[in-house]
Parts: sequence; C-alpha cells; structure tokens
Amino acid sequence: QSALTQPASVSGSPGQSITISCTGTSSDVGGYNYVSWYQQHPGKAPKLMIYEVSNRPSGVPDRFSGSKSGNTASLTISGLQAEDEADYYCSSYTSINSLAVFGTGTKVSVL
Amino acid sequence: QVQLVESGGGLVKPGGSLRLSCAASGFTFSDYYMSWIRQAPGKGLEWVSYISGSGNTIYYADSVKGRFTISRDNAKNSLYLQMNSLRAEDTAVYYCVRDGGHSEDYWGQGTLVTVSS
Repeated sequence: QSALTQPASVSGSPGQSITISCTGTSSDVGGYNYVSWYQQHPGKAPKLMIYEVSNRPSGVPDRFSGSKSGNTASLTISGLQAEDEADYYCSSYTSINSLAVFGTGTKVSVL
Repeated sequence: QVQLVESGGGLVKPGGSLRLSCAASGFTFSDYYMSWIRQAPGKGLEWVSYISGSGNTIYYADSVKGRFTISRDNAKNSLYLQMNSLRAEDTAVYYCVRDGGHSEDYWGQGTLVTVSS
C-alpha cells in the first residue's frame, strides 16, 4: 500500500492562507469520506486536526479547514500563525487492506 | 481526560524481542478500537496494527505480519504489542493510539524502540 502524496514543504507569512494537498486513489481518498489530518510539532505526538474530510474536533481553531475533490484532499490554514509551524500528515481509510494509509507528510514553515 | 501511556521501549539486538504496553484511562477502553502506529527517526507515520474493542478483529501491516502480535486486556485497560524477530528497520517511536471512528483522536507520548547490535 503506497503512501498518499503530499508536498514536502509549504510556507507562508503570518496572516496568509496556505493549502496542503493529499493525493491518493479511488481505493482510499477518492472512495471514502474518511480523510483525517494530523499536526505534529518536533518531538511531540501527532494531534488530530480534521476528521472525516472537513470536521474539526473540539478545541481546534476554525482557521483549519478540510475539503476533498476526487482523489485529492486538502487542508487549508487561514490566518497563518507562528504556532502553526509543524509537520502535517493526512490519512485515509483504504479498502486495499482495511487499514488506513498515511500521507508522506508536509513541513509547514511560517516565514 | 483521555490518557495513553506507553512503556516497554528500549535497545534490543536484531532478532530479539520486546513487549510494549499502553495504559489507558479517562474513557471506556473496551468501547474503542486501538492501534499501534510507528515513526522511524526523521520519517513519516506508519500503521503497525489495530485491534477491535473485543479483541476479535485484528489487522497488521505487511511489514510486521508474522512477527508482531497485538493484544489487549480490557479488565486492565491495557494494550500490548509483542514484537519478535526485530530488525533494524523496526527502529522507531511507537505510539499507542485510540481510534475515534476512522480517525485517531488520542495519541500517547510514544516509546522509542531501537534495534541495533
């Protein structure tokens, strides 16, 4: 099972909006509304930011939003803040092995 | 509040064994699927295994199938990962994770497993 494809890095200035893409196939991202996004700061455990494509868990700022079109899901961070600098991973349920598959990860830098 | 605390990591020689444990609290443990997810140094996340609340449904990644065994003790609110025939490529931080329903909503702090001679 191949990892979902994400850009290696995305950067933006404080206050700007950035979008991270996550490309899979019809067996995972395109076939199910079970895409999640995780934020990971250095040396810390990942934190759930978005589930089921576009839902935010309690406590996650509404600056974070998710969407999906075809085989590609996206995470948008609006009003970028310094604390948003981290690694971000997408994941999706996959019918290939009934597990889930993670994305390759994207490093977000706040300039 | 939900807490997941892993233990059991350490340094082991290739071919050796290690058993990871995860103590869960703050929720009804038996109601949730649980997973082990690992992250090699400087690398991305990789699913290792997951187990249903009853323990009747179990899945493994191909990379660990036949070498790792996941189990749980609902009476003790604990999750385990028995790792045998360890290889250098199994070196990683291993996270104990709660499945909130097709998303992993709570993660432990992780325990480092290093496989080296």
